[in-house]
Amino acid sequence: ILNVEQSPQSLHVQEGDSTNFTCSFPSSNFYALHWYRWETAKSPEALFVMTLNGDEKKKGRISATLNTKEGYSYLYIKGSQPEDSATYLCALNSGGYQKVTFGTGTKLQVIP
Amino acid sequence: DTGVSQDPRHKITKRGQNVTFRCDPISEHNRLYWYRQTLGQGPEFLTYFQNEAQLEKSRLLSDRFSAERPKGSFSTLEIQRTEQGDSAMYLCASSSGTPEAFFGQGTRLTVV
Repeated sequence: ILNVEQSPQSLHVQEGDSTNFTCSFPSSNFYALHWYRWETAKSPEALFVMTLNGDEKKKGRISATLNTKEGYSYLYIKGSQPEDSATYLCALNSGGYQKVTFGTGTKLQVIP
Repeated sequence: DTGVSQDPRHKITKRGQNVTFRCDPISEHNRLYWYRQTLGQGPEFLTYFQNEAQLEKSRLLSDRFSAERPKGSFSTLEIQRTEQGDSAMYLCASSSGTPEAFFGQGTRLTVV
């Protein structure tokens, strides 16, 4: 059973603050690492898919980095806004395209 | 096509009853996944289809669970003789073979 861990479990930040979360995963049999944002009552929304060690992806104020050798990925949010409040999930694909193992998520609350 | 749709969104059932959920994937996607999320956990893989073939099934799925995708389009997930431990969010996702998967909004099952 793969162990994908995310930290912190939850956090509260003030509007305008920057923040980051960690996703740790086994570095063996790595294929792809996904980040999703899951807002209440909505579908999980894909943010990034990263496949190469050293990958950095950016979408607006959100960016992510990947280190497959040591088995971690960071998600950064610059200048947090209330609409960033959501649960952020990372997911590891280690067996080709077939199945994905999710972490437990980091629940972010941005306080206006 | 507006994305992956799941029906119903919510289901309350008495223990011992059977329930069936439906997932309509994005039309050109040949891969379909079912996940389950219980409180405080990340989504857990249940099963995976490529076209109409069920290629992988998690050990989490007991004999009371069955999934089908008869024509390679929509899929159904049936739970027989529901138990309180089956209460969860059941998520469906589809993909076209790239690592990125698109999720539906889920079916929240409550067994009373």
